[in-house]
Amino acid sequence: GAVVSQHPSRVICKSGTSVKIECRSLDFQATTMFWYRQFPKQSLMLMATSNEGSKATYEQGVEKDKFLINHASLTLSTLTVTSAHPEDSSFYICSARRSNERLFFGSGTQLSVL
Amino acid sequence: DQQVKQNSPSLSVQEGRISILNCDYTNSMFDYFLWYKKYPAEGPTFLISISSIKDKNEDGRFTVFLNKSAKHLSLHIVPSQPGDSAVYFCAASARVGGADGLTFGKGTHLIIQP
Repeated sequence: GAVVSQHPSRVICKSGTSVKIECRSLDFQATTMFWYRQFPKQSLMLMATSNEGSKATYEQGVEKDKFLINHASLTLSTLTVTSAHPEDSSFYICSARRSNERLFFGSGTQLSVL
Repeated sequence: DQQVKQNSPSLSVQEGRISILNCDYTNSMFDYFLWYKKYPAEGPTFLISISSIKDKNEDGRFTVFLNKSAKHLSLHIVPSQPGDSAVYFCAASARVGGADGLTFGKGTHLIIQP
């Protein structure tokens, strides 16, 4: 089956630093990738939709200058949390869609900002 | 306003019995529904889905029922096994255009007791 790889799985960083999370579709080309965030005991909240070769579409309330998304190829999307603060600590998950098929999820990245 | 609601944060079921997880939605544009299973610190894995043109879909021990008039769906697991202990997310999509992200409920933590 399709596999989506997300890296790193866990990152701890100091407040004010930037963190990059990678999402790769390993055996298919993903025209669309999605980034979700999950706080403890909450649902997965869609942050943004990333389309290859175009600007990402952000959900209401998500700061595009803080969460930079780059979808430079059909197999790679990156999410950069810029100037991270403790309130950005969360579980970030990417997913990829192949054509009109269902989503395949990465394994997630637990971000802890000290 | 939550468009997908899972009103039971947790559910405890004895091994071998039936587990029933419920989900309600408010957006009448949703026409495709999915259930995901999630272990701690991992990304969600797809379990089963149902299109709004059906009212039942079965896959092994898992059956999803959809009641469109009530905007309600449920996931039945029978017989329940210890490995089924996880958080189950209900998700919905308006597949017109096929490019949207999913809207998730908050999840139900299923605990299978021996």
